[in-house]
Amino acid sequence: EVQVVESGGGLVKSGGSLTLSCAASGFTFSNAWMSWVRQAPGKGLEWVGRIKSKIDGGTTDYAVPVKGRFTISRDDSKNTLYLQMNSLKSEDTAVYYCTRTARYFFDYWGQGTLVTVSS
Amino acid sequence: QSVLTQPPSVSGAPGQRVTISCTGGSSNIGAGYDVYWYQQLPGAAPKLLIYGSTNRPSGVPDRFSGSKSGTSASLAIAGLQAEDEADYYCQSYDSRLSGYVVFGGGTKLTVL
Repeated sequence: EVQVVESGGGLVKSGGSLTLSCAASGFTFSNAWMSWVRQAPGKGLEWVGRIKSKIDGGTTDYAVPVKGRFTISRDDSKNTLYLQMNSLKSEDTAVYYCTRTARYFFDYWGQGTLVTVSS
Repeated sequence: QSVLTQPPSVSGAPGQRVTISCTGGSSNIGAGYDVYWYQQLPGAAPKLLIYGSTNRPSGVPDRFSGSKSGTSASLAIAGLQAEDEADYYCQSYDSRLSGYVVFGGGTKLTVL
């Protein structure tokens, strides 16, 4: 069974940093593209960024609002995806979902982890 | 303002058929890119409902169907059930945007 489980959310002050983790199981993680998608309270879904598998180059892409502040990385030996978030702003407050990415769509989602940025 | 436009809400009685539209433009749906639909039940994570514009993942009832024409796509739900009450999001690919992924603003489906 495919599972992705996020952790690391919490309360952080504006300007601070936080790193989210996503533990994957039930599929060959090293072959998978992975993404983060977020959802602000009461709002819709917003794509954050993506990392390709190493065999596909291992490159990352980011949405404009987070580019230069957020970094996605992966440790294939640990089947784990990371999202390092720096210079956090109040508008980054959201539930962050880890997703397995079938190229440009998201076929499995975690339960999400809440990040709250206080001003 | 989302790149893909969905109605904020739709409603229907049990057993009825409802459709949710997703309108894009020439750089996304109109360019021939596929549309994907996600269902988000209250308090839950989103779940893939339709991929490749018209295909259902294993386990999704055939009451759910997707279509695409021109710069728009639609999700149809036949034989509405109370458990279909949820938020529905469309998603596609946009050649003009960094990373290319775009979501609609979401549609709240209420089963009367």
